[in-house]
Amino acid sequence: DARVTQTPRHKVTEMGQEVTMRCQPILGHNTVFWYRQTMMQGLELLAYFRNRAPLDDSGMPKDRFSAEMPDATLATLKIQPSEPRDSAVYFCASGLFLGGGASETQYFGPGTRLLVL
Amino acid sequence: DQQVKQNSPSLSVQEGRISILNCDYTNSMFDYFLWYKKYPAEGPTFLISISSIKDKNEDGRFTVFLNKSAKHLSLHIVPSQPGDSAVYFCAASAAGRRALTFGSGTRLQVQP
Repeated sequence: DARVTQTPRHKVTEMGQEVTMRCQPILGHNTVFWYRQTMMQGLELLAYFRNRAPLDDSGMPKDRFSAEMPDATLATLKIQPSEPRDSAVYFCASGLFLGGGASETQYFGPGTRLLVL
Repeated sequence: DQQVKQNSPSLSVQEGRISILNCDYTNSMFDYFLWYKKYPAEGPTFLISISSIKDKNEDGRFTVFLNKSAKHLSLHIVPSQPGDSAVYFCAASAAGRRALTFGSGTRLQVQP
């Protein structure tokens, strides 16, 4: 049963600390997305990668957030320094893009619930 | 500017009856639409999708209808079951930008 996995599931940290969230996409998927869910904004895109290359990170505050894919089985989202307003649930999703006009279905991980005090 | 809107925050139906969840969108560039179900403390789970070249897609108890002229889609669940109780999100993507734009969700409660 292929799934997207995310670690940690929960993270409590103090303002100013670095936070790293990890995602393992479904094996064989070539696109990885990071979303954030808050009560006020709902689910919003932060960044996404195709074949490990960043395609869109316009939703991410560049001064403190960074996203990378060191290899095809690992995506990371880092916040440094973290702030209380970063408290949210962060979801990773992966999909298989086949090219042309087709859209891939995105499969979501369970999320990382982050609380910054 | 909400490009995908789910105007009903909640819906309650009796077990065995039909559940109809609605979604409106404003961006005419959207060409692919999806429905996700979400339980508390879990990630959204893909349910069903539809391409803009179709007006209906069916998968078991779930059917999605797309009305492009009205920029409206709906999810029908027949018959509804208590296990269907969850938050349902409508999502859309546009050609050239594959990230999803989500609606705010509708909480469905199916009463036994």
